[in-house]
Amino acid sequence: RKEVEQDPGPFNVPEGATVAFNCTYSNSASQSFFWYRQDCRKEPKLLMSVYSSGNEDGRFTAQLNRASQYISLLIRDSKLSDSATYLCVVNPTGGGNKLTFGTGTQLKVEL
Amino acid sequence: DTGVSQDPRHKITKRGQNVTFRCDPISEHNRLYWYRQTLGQGPEFLTYFQNEAQLEKSRLLSDRFSAERPKGSFSTLEIQRTEQGDSAMYLCASSFGTSGSKSYNEQFFGPGTRLTVL
Repeated sequence: RKEVEQDPGPFNVPEGATVAFNCTYSNSASQSFFWYRQDCRKEPKLLMSVYSSGNEDGRFTAQLNRASQYISLLIRDSKLSDSATYLCVVNPTGGGNKLTFGTGTQLKVEL
Repeated sequence: DTGVSQDPRHKITKRGQNVTFRCDPISEHNRLYWYRQTLGQGPEFLTYFQNEAQLEKSRLLSDRFSAERPKGSFSTLEIQRTEQGDSAMYLCASSFGTSGSKSYNEQFFGPGTRLTVL
């Protein structure tokens, strides 16, 4: 089993739609969780950290379910500029803060 | 620009040659990380430094790979006797490191060095 699993997509959605990505992780002792965004042939950029209480940043909402070892990202009112690959990222305990990435979920927002 | 910088951005080399990449982290950050990313995959951890000390190395980092951070600022990653399987994007990231606050673990990436081994 992979340490971090994501549906690779692609998710093709119309502009203005709401889209949700899910991710599962295998290490129950993992402490920190993040979503990164990566545009084609560019570096990953931190989108948001994911906290136990859930957190929201504008159109983006992240949720963490430790019991199910599950992380989600919700994007509301999607824009063309949201088209990218979204990487689910986990920082395992005792891992010295190294990050373990999923393979990413590709989102394409269309007119 | 005060972000993470990497040099060169692209490197094409022949199999068997040695290559060296440089990373300059965000100046206030004491942790520096190297990752490798191949097409269709997420980045994979290679190694990291806290100041000048190399604290962890992945099993991916064969003995042909060596990384240094001699003064706790910039870092270099050298690959000796390159192989075609080394072709990838090599990403550097930096963070504040642990300090009790989750935001101190947030890692910020440089633009990467794309290596092509012919």
